[in-house]
Amino acid sequence: DVKVTQSSRYLVKRTGEKVFLECVQDMDHENMFWYRQDPGLGLRLIYFSYDVKMKEKGDIPEGYSVSREKKERFSLILESASTNQTSMYLCASMGRGGSREAFFGQGTRLTVV
Amino acid sequence: DQQVKQNSPSLSVQEGRISILNCDYTNSMFDYFLWYKKYPAEGPTFLISISSIKDKNEDGRFTVFLNKSAKHLSLHIVPSQPGDSAVYFCAARATNFGNEKLTFGTGTRLTIIP
Repeated sequence: DVKVTQSSRYLVKRTGEKVFLECVQDMDHENMFWYRQDPGLGLRLIYFSYDVKMKEKGDIPEGYSVSREKKERFSLILESASTNQTSMYLCASMGRGGSREAFFGQGTRLTVV
Repeated sequence: DQQVKQNSPSLSVQEGRISILNCDYTNSMFDYFLWYKKYPAEGPTFLISISSIKDKNEDGRFTVFLNKSAKHLSLHIVPSQPGDSAVYFCAARATNFGNEKLTFGTGTRLTIIP
């Protein structure tokens, strides 16, 4: 059974803290993605990576950075958390090419206070 | 600039009837389209997909139609069941020099009325 695992279901952090969200996949997928979901705005792409050490900005990268040191792990970093980064964060992975779908983790509900 | 749009935030359908969810896109470079279903506090799960070279794909109760000239796709669910109540997202894939980017719409909340 394929799996994308996010390190936490719920997180509460203080404004200004550095926050790490971890995602691990066991499908040997090349592509990995970080999205945030907010009411009325759908899933917005923050960053994605198509290979180890490669990263591309998505539609809303400001205030975030990412790291992909190993193929199976893709980390999202909030350098200095702010209240407007309170959201549901979703990680996904996808194989390259063909009729391949993306698989999602269970999501991390982050609250910044 | 929203490249994938779902203009109906919500839809209510009687159990047993057909549910039709719509999605429009602007980028003609999208080569693959997918539909996902999401329950609260869970990650989205894949439902069905279609390549840009096809106009229809069917899987059980779910059928996706693609109209490339109109840049429009739709998901048909028939017959609708109470367990279909969820938020549905359409997504589109674009490939650029080996990068594969997946862009999602804003979602449509489907409620099936028993």
